[in-house]
Amino acid sequence: DAGVIQSPRHEVTEMGQEVTLRCKPISGHDYLFWYRQTMMRGLELLIYFNNNVPIDDSGMPEDRFSAKMPNASFSTLKIQPSEPRDSAVYFCASSFRGLNTEAFFGQGTRLTVV
Amino acid sequence: LAKTTQPISMDSYEGQEVNITCSHNNIATNDYITWYQQFPSQGPRFIIQGYKTKVTNEVASLFIPADRKSSTLSLPRVSLSDTAVYYCLLSSGTYKYIFGTGTRLKVLA
Repeated sequence: DAGVIQSPRHEVTEMGQEVTLRCKPISGHDYLFWYRQTMMRGLELLIYFNNNVPIDDSGMPEDRFSAKMPNASFSTLKIQPSEPRDSAVYFCASSFRGLNTEAFFGQGTRLTVV
Repeated sequence: LAKTTQPISMDSYEGQEVNITCSHNNIATNDYITWYQQFPSQGPRFIIQGYKTKVTNEVASLFIPADRKSSTLSLPRVSLSDTAVYYCLLSSGTYKYIFGTGTRLKVLA
């Protein structure tokens, strides 16, 4: 397996624009996590899914953020409208049977909002 | 969720054994202790996980005392490539993987 695949690797956008980040989890994994990493706040859990169903989105900062998982092999994190403070590295991770097992992280998407 | 506390940074020399201790005084009965490693511009990578006593794999050992209020990650004979940030996490049935600030390890030649 190629691991967790995220796209794009880098994204530069203007404030107010819609941004969509994409993630393909490892085949067979039933949990998917979205994290955000900044120097100030470290790694923050935004939302996680189990069997394509959002379980906990309490980490999503605002209504401007939304995440979907239409099927077991694809998830998106959307920011609309984007703001400069959304600039961060966004990681997707997947695991089999949840958090007491190893979670595999993607390479991340570096988002810059200007 | 129970909080973890780690040293912010550590320095070591190549070939030495490095021990990073994590405090988790309020650990719950069903919490597992997991350590991740993160290199710059990469996602975190699983190192080791344990519940009690000692766990060893090909890259590290994890020591957990009987009261489980702390744990120690041991990296034998570190090399320059072990320079990274190391995170200690607790996970339980709530399925919330919360990362703390981590320990920035710098290995010197």
